Formats: sequence, C-alpha cells, structure tokens
Amino acid sequence: AQSVTQLDSHVSVSEGTPVLLRCNYSSSYSPSLFWYVQHPNKGLQLLLKYTSAATLVKGINGFEAEFKKSETSFHLTKPSAHMSDAAEYFCVVLPSGGYQKVTFGTGTKLQVIP
Amino acid sequence: EPEVTQTPSHQVTQMGQEVILRCVPISNHLYFYWYRQILGQKVEFLVSFYNNEISEKSEIFDDQFSVERPDGSNFTLKIRSTKLEDSAMYFCASSAPSGLDTEAFFGQGTRLTVV
Repeated sequence: AQSVTQLDSHVSVSEGTPVLLRCNYSSSYSPSLFWYVQHPNKGLQLLLKYTSAATLVKGINGFEAEFKKSETSFHLTKPSAHMSDAAEYFCVVLPSGGYQKVTFGTGTKLQVIP
Repeated sequence: EPEVTQTPSHQVTQMGQEVILRCVPISNHLYFYWYRQILGQKVEFLVSFYNNEISEKSEIFDDQFSVERPDGSNFTLKIRSTKLEDSAMYFCASSAPSGLDTEAFFGQGTRLTVV
C-alpha cells in the first residue's frame, strides 16, 4: 500500500522569503515522486520529479526537492517566493515495479503576501 | 517532452445526458488513470486501467462510469447519466512500465459542467 501526506493544507509566506512545502510518503516499492502545481482554474503542471537518480531534484521556476529515504520525505523548497508562485501544490507518488497506482497528496495551498 | 492530451478542455452538458471524455496517453505507456477534482476540493482517484481491464476503482466509480481503450491510442471515460455533482475537472494520466524511470504524465484536464 502507498500513501502521501502533505503536512500543511495552507502555507503563507511573504514575497522574497523561502518556501517549504512538506510531503511524506509510504510505499511498498521504490517510488517515483513528483510535485505538480495547479494555478486557479488551470490543469496540472509538472514542477519536478524524482525517479531514482540524484536525490536533489531541480525543477522549473526555481523549485527543488530532496528525496530523503531515511525520512520518507520529499519536501519542496524555493529560496525566494514570487507572487506568481501562489497556487496549489500536489505531491504525487508512483511506485516502480508491480501494479502502479498514482497517489495524490491532499494538496497545499501556497499564499504569497506582497 | 511527451504529453497526455485531453479533449474537450471544457464541456457543458444537461443533467441526465451521457458524456464521453477523451484522452490520448503517451504512446508507450501501459497504465492509464482517471482522476477528478471537484471545484475547491482535493484530487480524487477514480479508476486505473491496465492490459485492457480495470485494475482498481474507487467507490466514486459506480455503474454510471465506464472506461474504454477503443483503438489502442484513445482512453475514454464515459458518464452515462450525468448528475449535477459530476461537475468537476477530470484528469487523465498515463504511466510508463515499471523500471528505473517510472513516471506519470497528466493531461491538462477536462472541465465538465453539468447544468
């Protein structure tokens, strides 16, 4: 069985300050992990993905995430928030091997305060 | 970069009508999924499909829903008799075979509005 837990449903940061969106997972198989962003009334856009290569993954728009197997975490970070980062962010897990089910976290809504 | 495409992007239908949402997955992918997101709510799993049959479905996926891969390229979700509460964004996804570079791709979604 697998699950994804996004620890914060809402995160509020000031523009120019760091962003940390937390994600923990559990998976019976070595997983691939993704972060997707959804702007209001828009579809899902892939920010970055981890697929068993480097544990520190860089994505678009200055975001990065670090896969920590010992902590079963895949937190998303950005050094300096921009107003355009305000959106909902989803952590997604996909196990490798065997039956694959894409599992979504419940989402974290990021608010950026000017 | 390969992509999953969904059509239409927006569909409006009357309650009780049948709708078919279409998806073209990545060509060499083997697993296919439908998810939905009611406005302001979380993304919910509907169904997964592998080897021409349903692998898993949620309790949301009742008898009014069906999926099909009619021609080896399209993957469709049919809702037989739509209800107001079916109004949502529907996302299709596909994933690669198991291996080191497993990844999933999502379409941009179809916004279904039932009136």
